[in-house]
Amino acid sequence: DQQVKQNSPSLSVQEGRISILNCDYTNSMFDYFLWYKKYPAEGPTFLISISSIKDKNEDGRFTVFLNKSAKHLSLHIVPSQPGDSAVYFCAASAKSGTYKYIFGTGTRLKVLA
Amino acid sequence: ETGVTQSPTHLIKTRGQQVTLRCSSQSGHNTVSWYQQALGQGPQFIFQYYREEENGRGNFPPRFSGLQFPNYSSELNVNALELDDSALYLCASSLARGDGNTIYFGEGSWLTVV
Repeated sequence: DQQVKQNSPSLSVQEGRISILNCDYTNSMFDYFLWYKKYPAEGPTFLISISSIKDKNEDGRFTVFLNKSAKHLSLHIVPSQPGDSAVYFCAASAKSGTYKYIFGTGTRLKVLA
Repeated sequence: ETGVTQSPTHLIKTRGQQVTLRCSSQSGHNTVSWYQQALGQGPQFIFQYYREEENGRGNFPPRFSGLQFPNYSSELNVNALELDDSALYLCASSLARGDGNTIYFGEGSWLTVV
């Protein structure tokens, strides 16, 4: 049973436009969420986090939105740049401090110049 | 750069053999987690170590074992390797009771079992 789902395997966006990556989860106990970017042959790089007490967190070009009632989060990248082309993973944790994260299967973002 | 280092970066083993992967955590981080990422999948939690003790385990058989040392570095050992163990093995470090709950990954160790 996939508790964290990224239903879009891939996404293409023009440079300068907004990229929106989506993530759905089923476990209402999840209380902390992370987004990672992964280039080929590298480990995942942490981008941004959000806890369940917030509905939005912003860091530069990256904003994460959390809709707890819908069990949905999204990552917005504005403006998108060619260097953002990578695979993006969302991850969720059910209990603060244990760091046992459940990851989605990833969305491959391609930003077209 | 996260400061989490893993070795070796690539290795090839034969089915039935044993492998040890190593990880040095980011300075100041006292918790280490290991994840397995198969091709086309997201990372899957294997186990976590805190203060040299296993502190949580995912759905992996006992032939996956680990250690954490007093300097917080860690090892992942896999016995009786199977073809399906071929994957990227990721180590992640974090600081309990601080820095939110964010985990920081190393570059990974690519294991191929033939």
